Amino acid sequence: QSVLTQPPSASGTPGQRVTISCSGASSNIGTNTVSWYQRLPGTAPKLLIFSNNQRPSGVPDRFSGSKSGTSASLAISGLQSEDEADYFCASWDDYLFWVFGGGTKLTVL
Amino acid sequence: QITLKESGPTLVKPTQTLTLTCTFSGFSLNTSGVAVGWIRQPPGKALEWLALIYWDDDKRYSPSLKKRLTITKDTSKNQVVLIMTNMDPVDTATYFCAHSIATTNWFDPWGQGTLVTVSS
Repeated sequence: QSVLTQPPSASGTPGQRVTISCSGASSNIGTNTVSWYQRLPGTAPKLLIFSNNQRPSGVPDRFSGSKSGTSASLAISGLQSEDEADYFCASWDDYLFWVFGGGTKLTVL
Repeated sequence: QITLKESGPTLVKPTQTLTLTCTFSGFSLNTSGVAVGWIRQPPGKALEWLALIYWDDDKRYSPSLKKRLTITKDTSKNQVVLIMTNMDPVDTATYFCAHSIATTNWFDPWGQGTLVTVSS
């Protein structure tokens, strides 16, 4: 069981907006920043969002992140078929060091 | 451009010791603030952080696996080595190494990963 809680699955149709949640605690999300990773089948995880809401260069602005209290969210607008992947949140935990979410499998219908 | 690549055995037997090497380029582990971490993902399961080593040789381990893990660096070879003892079939996973910076809270980029199967 992962320290950060994500829904196991999410889905949407092309063009829709989808949101994936990540719930933690005061020792991780509550006091430290959140990052999000996308893992396409057979590839390495790719950094999508860092410092809660910052996008690395090259990541489309369709991807956005937010954080409030001990929870964070990843939003994907204008959903595209190539967005079908697994998404993970992560944060530093003051006691456990690095913690990840259980991952959300996004299906584009 | 920063790149990392994992190498090691693809198959280990239960109770054996696993040694994985992360060979990187584009940065130096002699540079203040730089860190390299190891993360794994069992098939169909979540990412799990294992260990982290900093430029100053400070180390952090997953509390649940600390007794079985050792992380070291060889800055002359641009390599980080992870040793995991007493391997079990539940340790079957793709093992990734990734670059990080001490003052940040993210890993970027990641290596391609290497699948390790534990089976007799």
